[in-house]
Amino acid sequence: QSALTQPASVSGSPGQSITISCTGTSSDVGAYNYVSWYQQHPGKAPKVMIYDVSNRPSGVSDRFSGSKSGNTAFLTISGLQAEDEADYYCSSYTRTSTGVFGGGTKVTVL
Amino acid sequence: EVQLVVSGGGLVQPGGSLTLSCAASGFSLSGSTIHWVRQASGKGLEWVGRVRNKAYSYATAYAASVKGRFTISRDDSTNTGYLQMHSLETEDTALYYCTRVAVANSWRFDPWGQGTLVTVSS
Repeated sequence: QSALTQPASVSGSPGQSITISCTGTSSDVGAYNYVSWYQQHPGKAPKVMIYDVSNRPSGVSDRFSGSKSGNTAFLTISGLQAEDEADYYCSSYTRTSTGVFGGGTKVTVL
Repeated sequence: EVQLVVSGGGLVQPGGSLTLSCAASGFSLSGSTIHWVRQASGKGLEWVGRVRNKAYSYATAYAASVKGRFTISRDDSTNTGYLQMHSLETEDTALYYCTRVAVANSWRFDPWGQGTLVTVSS
């Protein structure tokens, strides 16, 4: 199972919106609505930000939103804030009942 | 407080074995699927494997990179999951996390343990 493809880095100024893509195949991202997104600050464990494509856990800012089109999922961060600077990973369930992560995207707030 | 506590990491020689534990507190793991995820230093997250709950006959699945060498199990009586690692290779050096998916038909890893470092080196 190959890793999902994410851009290595995305940057934006405070207040701007950014979108991170996560491209898989018809065997993972495109197969089910089982895509989630994780935020990881240095030295910390990952934290779920979006699950099942577009659901946001309680306590996660509504500035974070998720969507999917075909084999590509997207995470959008609106109103970018300094605290959003972190690594972001997408993950998907697959047709072989396994899991897979993306390579990660470093978000920089300029 | 809902948390997962991971333990058992350490230094092991290539070809050796190690068993990691994942203990839940503040909630019951019995209905959840337990997943293991690892992260080599400076690298991304890699899904390692999972064990489903009793309703799914404790079915396991593994990443190709560890299949045949790693075994995931659980003991619901002690609210603990395990990752047994055999024939360890230097490429297995990583921080190992446990996490769970609480609800069937969902893909939400939450919470995550703090991770335990496994170093494979001679």
